[in-house]
Amino acid sequence: SQTIHQWPATLVQPVGSPLSLECTVEGTSNPNLYWYRQAAGRGLQLLFYSVGIGQISSEVPQNLSASRPQDRQFILSSKKLLLSDSGFYLCAWSQPGTALAKNIQYFGAGTRLSVL
Amino acid sequence: SQQGEEDPQALSIQEGENATMNCSYKTSINNLQWYRQNSGRGLVHLILIRSNEREKHSGRLRVTLDTSKKSSSLLITASRAADTASYFCATDPKTTDSWGKLQFGAGTQVVVTP
Repeated sequence: SQTIHQWPATLVQPVGSPLSLECTVEGTSNPNLYWYRQAAGRGLQLLFYSVGIGQISSEVPQNLSASRPQDRQFILSSKKLLLSDSGFYLCAWSQPGTALAKNIQYFGAGTRLSVL
Repeated sequence: SQQGEEDPQALSIQEGENATMNCSYKTSINNLQWYRQNSGRGLVHLILIRSNEREKHSGRLRVTLDTSKKSSSLLITASRAADTASYFCATDPKTTDSWGKLQFGAGTQVVVTP
């Protein structure tokens, strides 16, 4: 069966410090991968998505970047955090291919980031 | 961008009652999905309904889709305290870039009291 791991669960960082959040998927190959941010009481904002190694698309201009160094590894980074980067970050994956079932997304447990 | 908008934003009911929440969207879709999120956790997929389907059931969940009104509803029957969570609709819009990006609404927060 497929599993998704996301860490850390909680992170408190000072303004201006770097960030690295990691997400890995097991039990599947060439998944579509996603990074979302969720503000308190709000829906999900898609930040980045990837359909393959080294293929990253950004949805919104921001202070963050993403990388996919391996097939099932997705990393969210920042060189210098801003206060506005605080939030709940979620990684997700979906099946590759063209079938409708690919659109079902499976989420990690999330990382609560507080920038102080 | 958020395409799905849930209504109500919050819902408080007692165990055994039914909970109904609605989702409206703006553009044509391939399918619509409902997800559940427990507080501080990731989202869990509940059910997917395709654009050519009108109703779907899964256990105590019933989903309807009206593409003419661009709306969907999620009914949870005989609710339990464990159903306390936020519920999100997500649409898979029909666009030229339709490879599987979902657009999530802001969610309905459901509280079920014993």
